[in-house]
Amino acid sequence: DVQLVESGGGLVQPGGSLRLSCAASGLIFRSYWMSWVRQAPGKGLEWVANIKQDGSEKYYVDSVKGRFTISRDNAKNSLYLQLNALRAEDTAVYYCVRDLAGVSGSTYYYYMDVWGKGTTVTVSS
Amino acid sequence: DIQMTQSPSSLSASVGDRVTITCRASQSISSYLNWFQQKPGKAPKLLIYAAYSLQSGVPSRFSGSGSGTDFTLTISSLQPEDFATYYCHQTYSTPYTFGQGTKLEIK
Repeated sequence: DVQLVESGGGLVQPGGSLRLSCAASGLIFRSYWMSWVRQAPGKGLEWVANIKQDGSEKYYVDSVKGRFTISRDNAKNSLYLQLNALRAEDTAVYYCVRDLAGVSGSTYYYYMDVWGKGTTVTVSS
Repeated sequence: DIQMTQSPSSLSASVGDRVTITCRASQSISSYLNWFQQKPGKAPKLLIYAAYSLQSGVPSRFSGSGSGTDFTLTISSLQPEDFATYYCHQTYSTPYTFGQGTKLEIK
């Protein structure tokens, strides 16, 4: 079974930092784009960032650009999200997600099929 | 950024009902549209990808349609386990954006 297990969440003061980790198992980790998606309490889903298989391409939502950094270590089957300059509005459950991209017949697709259970980040003084 | 607008935001229905949720994109996203189901305290679950492809293991009462800017998720006969929140999600261009969600409640 494919499993993604997040860790590293916690309570942090505004302006502080955290590093989230995601341990992947049951998949050839280096073969997949990976994403982080977050969900603030009682709110909807927000895609945060993703990273290419070899780490050479990274994309972010505007609200975290310059503050968050996505990275990966394929030798360790691990995905990371460094969170700096944290704000109250960053409070959320952060999910590690596998991205799938390809083509079936004439249909191109890109979707997120495997999700971890999430790790909670709370930014508060 | 591409805006995704779902309707309705909430919906009350009964077991056995046929239910349709719509999702509209602010620009064409071809078929890069996916649907998720989320239950309280749980991670989202992929139901439909590429607008109409059923994810493995998902019951056939779920179906998706549409392309371009207008999409629908249909549940043909609601079951008790289907009461949840549903999200559409575009992966045509970053930032990948979700609809605001549709909460499906028991009537």
